[in-house]
Amino acid sequence: GAGVSQSPSNKVTEKGKDVELRCDPISGHTALYWYRQSLGQGLEFLIYFQGNSAPDKSGLPSDRFSAERTGGSVSTLTIQRTQQEDSAVYLCAVKETTNYGYTFGSGTRLTVV
Amino acid sequence: AQKVTQAQTEISVVEKEDVTLDCVYETRDTTYYLFWYKQPPSGELVFLIRRNSFDEQNEISGRYSWNFQKSTSSFNFTITASQVVDSAVYFCALSEARKILTGGGNKLTFGTGTQLKVEL
Repeated sequence: GAGVSQSPSNKVTEKGKDVELRCDPISGHTALYWYRQSLGQGLEFLIYFQGNSAPDKSGLPSDRFSAERTGGSVSTLTIQRTQQEDSAVYLCAVKETTNYGYTFGSGTRLTVV
Repeated sequence: AQKVTQAQTEISVVEKEDVTLDCVYETRDTTYYLFWYKQPPSGELVFLIRRNSFDEQNEISGRYSWNFQKSTSSFNFTITASQVVDSAVYFCALSEARKILTGGGNKLTFGTGTQLKVEL
């Protein structure tokens, strides 16, 4: 959506390489989320950041996955030693305060070959 | 634990037909929010509606309407007079409301989605 910019839009990487996915909310939001959507599947929660609180990492599938959010704005999701099962669309979302909905970015399509 | 079930994997209709997408949810919370999102072929998720657990009034927005029935834990979505542009994957989702209202954020639990194909 217009409120969330994600880059790159597509990423092809070789198995075993590390990748970084970026999420940049255009306007300030205190709550930021990462989700993963595998082919033909629903969205799987990965991690969420809320202000200065410790992030909720309960959805990260393995210790190869990590994320950080610097300055309460830009967030980076890092996947180390990528595996083929990591291939998916990674979506970033922010919570809106106006209608309590969530605005999603266009996602990064990650393909591990 | 929260769970959202969208039993219909794929629905095909002819343009101008009405279509209902089913959503059944499970939660132990008494306060929660329900959502519907549309994901067109472009891949972007588009917010359609949010409904809180205390408001069972049905809602209509143009050709879209939503039927929330707490007694059956369902939040169904109907498109009237469907159009080709309605072709998309539609997701139902659930979230605890308490943290949302206090300014916090909480994760959405999504169903697996229903692929709607509207043909001429």
